[in-house]
Amino acid sequence: DAKTTQPTSMDCAEGRAANLPCNHSTISGNEYVYWYRQIHSQGPQYIIHGLKNNETNEMASLIITEDRKSSTLILPHATLRDTAVYYCIVASTGGGADGLTFGKGTHLIIQP
Amino acid sequence: ETGVTQTPRHLVMGMTNKKSLKCEQHLGHNAMYWYKQSAKKPLELMFVYNFKEQTENNSVPSRFSPECPNSSHLFLHLHTLQPEDSALYLCASSLSHWGPSNNYGYTFGSGTRLTVV
Repeated sequence: DAKTTQPTSMDCAEGRAANLPCNHSTISGNEYVYWYRQIHSQGPQYIIHGLKNNETNEMASLIITEDRKSSTLILPHATLRDTAVYYCIVASTGGGADGLTFGKGTHLIIQP
Repeated sequence: ETGVTQTPRHLVMGMTNKKSLKCEQHLGHNAMYWYKQSAKKPLELMFVYNFKEQTENNSVPSRFSPECPNSSHLFLHLHTLQPEDSALYLCASSLSHWGPSNNYGYTFGSGTRLTVV
């Protein structure tokens, strides 16, 4: 799996949009970008994933640059419950199960 | 509840004890995983099972012994552990061929907090 680079920590004011960057300059053509988050002492939770088009669901939006070397996860209206560690992962799909490789992620702190 | 249930939630065991962690899912997934998360460290993949067959073992010590009797259940048998094995042990499941047709990637349980004394 390709490596990703994320800031160690970020702060965001409650009610504002939280924009979490991720660099994945060595991503391969068949690799997707996945985002998970882990609230303290719980299991990671899937947020969103994409290949090359921007994606949106009820939790977040994912913006992937045209060259696919970086992406941004956007939480449109952050709440205190969004405080968590956010993981950006690139992984290929299909052909059997592979284990996702988690890095250190970004610790997002939502300030009241 | 995520659909992946882990028991027990907390476990304290001595170094000479034998215990087992249990993971159960009824999501129709065919792949199951064990991860270890030590304090202030990233998640470490331990074992991967795909259709009940172990497909990956990331150099895990033999004092950890996984068992997957069917696609819905996964166990981690523990014996003669060391204090440094204290960690959060997480189970996850997924469709074996995951991609655009599987919009949820991996589903994780809440974990078992293990303390070895």
